[in-house]
Amino acid sequence: DTAVSQTPKYLVTQMGNDKSIKCEQNLGHDTMYWYKQDSKKFLKIMFSYNNKELIINETVPNRFSPKSPDKAHLNLHINSLELGDSAVYFCASSQGAQGGTGELFFGEGSRLTVL
Amino acid sequence: GNSVTQMEGPVTLSEEAFLTINCTYTATGYPSLFWYVQYPGEGLQLLLKATKADDKGSNKGFEATYRKETTSFHLEKGSVQVSDSAVYFCALSESHTGANSKLTFGKGITLSVRP
Repeated sequence: DTAVSQTPKYLVTQMGNDKSIKCEQNLGHDTMYWYKQDSKKFLKIMFSYNNKELIINETVPNRFSPKSPDKAHLNLHINSLELGDSAVYFCASSQGAQGGTGELFFGEGSRLTVL
Repeated sequence: GNSVTQMEGPVTLSEEAFLTINCTYTATGYPSLFWYVQYPGEGLQLLLKATKADDKGSNKGFEATYRKETTSFHLEKGSVQVSDSAVYFCALSESHTGANSKLTFGKGITLSVRP
C-alpha cells in the first residue's frame, strides 16, 4: 500500500498548456510538500502545507498554484507551461514540520516534459 | 542563509570498496543533519540522521558523524555493494520546531558501484 502516491508518473505536454499533478498520502501526516528536481538532480522546495494551510512558498512563479482540499491531499496546478518547467516534481509528507524530525516521506515523482 | 555543499560527482567504485561522500554545511544556530538516498526511479528516503554535535547516525552499514568544529557530516561505508548505487543527498533542518522550518538539500551525488 503506497504511502505517498502521485499521479501521473509521466506527463508530456506542449508549451502554453495547463496541467495538474495530484498527490495523496495515507500516513496520517499533517504536513505536505512539493519539491522540484532539475536535470542535475538538484532538489528545491516549492510549497509546504500544514493542515491545509500554506506555510512555505519559495518564490515560485504564480503560474504554479497548489491546492490542499484536505490534509491528505496536495495538488499542483501549473498554468501556461514553459520549457523550464520540465523537471521531476516530488510530493512529500511529514508529521509536523520538517524541522521536527527531518523525516520526509516522498512519492515516486512525476516527470514533466514540456515540448 | 543555510546551505549544504556536497562533493562533486559522479562517483564510481568497485564492489567492496570503501566509500566517503563529503558534506559540509553553513547554518545559523544548531541544525539537525540528514542523509537521504534516491534509488533509480524512486523518491527520496531517509538513510540516517544526527540531531546534535558528535552524534553518529547509522543505517544499512552507512555512518555519518555530526562534526560541529568542521561543520561536516561526511557519509561513509566500509564495503559498498552494487545495490548501493543511487543518488545521495545531504540535508539540514534549520530548527527543531516551527511550522515553517524546512529542509535544505545539497545537490546530490550519484554513486555507481561496479560488480
